[in-house]
Amino acid sequence: EVQLVESGGGLVQPGGSLRLSCAASGFTFSSYSMNWVRQAPGKGLEWVSYISSSSSTIYYADSVKGRFTISRDNAKNSLYLQMNSLRDEDTAVYYCARDGDSSGYYPHFDYWGQGTLVTVSS
Amino acid sequence: SYVLTQPPSVSVAPGKTARITCGGNNIGSKSVHWYQQKPGQAPVLVIYYDSDRPSGIPERFSGSNSGNTATLTISRVEAGDEADYYCQVWDSSSDHPKWVFGGGTKLTVL
Repeated sequence: EVQLVESGGGLVQPGGSLRLSCAASGFTFSSYSMNWVRQAPGKGLEWVSYISSSSSTIYYADSVKGRFTISRDNAKNSLYLQMNSLRDEDTAVYYCARDGDSSGYYPHFDYWGQGTLVTVSS
Repeated sequence: SYVLTQPPSVSVAPGKTARITCGGNNIGSKSVHWYQQKPGQAPVLVIYYDSDRPSGIPERFSGSNSGNTATLTISRVEAGDEADYYCQVWDSSSDHPKWVFGGGTKLTVL
């Protein structure tokens, strides 16, 4: 059974930093691209960042570029999101999600974690 | 940037058919994916590649995509289908691809 378990969320002041983790199990983690997707309270889904299986390709949403860094450790079956210079508008539930597309042309999210809440507030 | 437009809400009686649309410029040329999200839960993929269903998703869920509109159709709607539904595409039109979601549609079962 595919499982994705996020951790590391919490309350942080504006301008602060936080590192999220996602522990993967039930599949060959090193074979799949991964993503972070967030959802502000009462709002819709927003894609945050993508990392390919070998970490060779990384993309960010414009809203987080230059502040967030995605990484992975295939030996530990783990995905990370380092978040710096946090702003009020970064408050959201952050989900890690597996890319279910093997072609590279039609990426989508076939499995999601339960999410971890990040609250940016003074 | 590419924009996906969904109606904020759709209401349907039990046993009837619900249709949730997702509008985008020439969206028929893209592959559309749909997610169901119930309150307090993570999203679940219900349709991928326009019309394919993941294992475990009832046949009542189907999808289509043509022209400027993609549609998620839920037949014989049940109370348990009440949820928010999001469409999603991959916008590869620039050097920096983006994964785009629609604003979401709240399905209410009357």
